[in-house]
Amino acid sequence: KQEVTQIPAALSVPEGENLVLNCSFTDSAIYNLQWFRQDPGKGLTSLLLIQSSQREQTSGRLNASLDKSSGRSTLYIAASQPGDSATYLCAVNNYNTDKLIFGTGTRLQVFP
Amino acid sequence: EAQVTQNPRYLITVTGKKLTVTCSQNMNHEYMSWYRQDPGLGLRQIYYSMNVEVTDKGDVPEGYKVSRKEKRNFPLILESPSPNQTSLYFCASSLGVGEAFFGQGTRLTVV
Repeated sequence: KQEVTQIPAALSVPEGENLVLNCSFTDSAIYNLQWFRQDPGKGLTSLLLIQSSQREQTSGRLNASLDKSSGRSTLYIAASQPGDSATYLCAVNNYNTDKLIFGTGTRLQVFP
Repeated sequence: EAQVTQNPRYLITVTGKKLTVTCSQNMNHEYMSWYRQDPGLGLRQIYYSMNVEVTDKGDVPEGYKVSRKEKRNFPLILESPSPNQTSLYFCASSLGVGEAFFGQGTRLTVV
């Protein structure tokens, strides 16, 4: 059974820092991995999608990497800003299932 | 604009009173699903649909029904809501196993 873990559960950093959020999964038989952002009480916004054949994806200040064989993905946020404060979720799309399996998220706070 | 639209955004109801949460997407996606999000439990899939007239149970289907009569719509039905169905609900759609798009969520309280 696929399990997705995100570390750390919470993170508080000063503005301007570069930071890394971690996601690990137990079953490497995945189609893809997706990173989302969720603001309190709001919906999920898709940030990056990495296909299983890819090693990384970039969007602006965000860079996500995928090491499928070791079951790991990282989300790198460059030059963090207070507006980056949110919960970040990773989710994997497994072979032989028809659902996204989510981690429990990393709650990020960036203070001025 | 590509989007998934859920209604209502907020709902307070009483135990046993049937309700429907609507979900509509404008991206011609075949795949749609419903999740609930609870503190400490994360997001769990309730039901999903691979295409029109094809639906199947997710991880926590008890107490819920769905239908998929049209490609764009995937309503979630609670025939007899109970307090343990108080949660934040999300509808999602995707093109097969591609990028998933989520609605803004429906916060349901059952008293």
